[in-house]
Amino acid sequence: QVQLVESGGGVVQPGGSLRLSCAASGFIFRHYGMHWARQAPGKGLEWVAFIQFDGNNEYYADSVKGRFTVSRDNSKNTLFLEMNSLRPEDTAVYYCAKDFPDGHNWFFDPWGQGTLVIVSS
Amino acid sequence: EIVLTQSPGTLSLSPGERATLSCRASQSVSITYLAWYQQKRGQAPKLLISGASSRATGVPDRFSTSGSGTDFTLTISRLEPEDFAVYYCQHFGFPSWTFGQGTKVEIK
Repeated sequence: QVQLVESGGGVVQPGGSLRLSCAASGFIFRHYGMHWARQAPGKGLEWVAFIQFDGNNEYYADSVKGRFTVSRDNSKNTLFLEMNSLRPEDTAVYYCAKDFPDGHNWFFDPWGQGTLVIVSS
Repeated sequence: EIVLTQSPGTLSLSPGERATLSCRASQSVSITYLAWYQQKRGQAPKLLISGASSRATGVPDRFSTSGSGTDFTLTISRLEPEDFAVYYCQHFGFPSWTFGQGTKVEIK
């Protein structure tokens, strides 16, 4: 079955950087677009970034544009999120998700279990 | 950018009751590009229904959606104990994906 496992979260100081990874299995990774979304503690869901199946196009939420970069390694079935100039308001659980339905990028299914990023001095 | 507003913030109901959750869009959208997710405490969200009542694998038929234009509804016909959770609507409007703020369905 489809499995997505995020890693790389942790505590980082404001202005610092962090790189998240999402290991994918159970599907042909190179055929699907992938998303990052996040959820601040006790808050709702926020889409963060999307990368096309071949890595040729990326899209970002305004809140992270210019600071975060999404990338992928299709040879290793892995999605990445490079986060720079981190702010306290970036504190959240970060989820990766596969796009859905097949051939479209409309929704998120399934989601990984998430990795927690805490930005604090 | 489309803004989704969900109401109520919290719905207090008993098992067996009917739950009606609202998702209002700031401008007219197609139900084709609207989805609902369920998130239980401490878990990742799960896709529940996409488009016009296309239920995800394993989702029981007590879950249904309706609506058009700016007003959409998720209905749970008879609440089961496992249905008490937070529900989010989500819209795809390329190149942006937007979530509502969520409705918590809690046990009364």
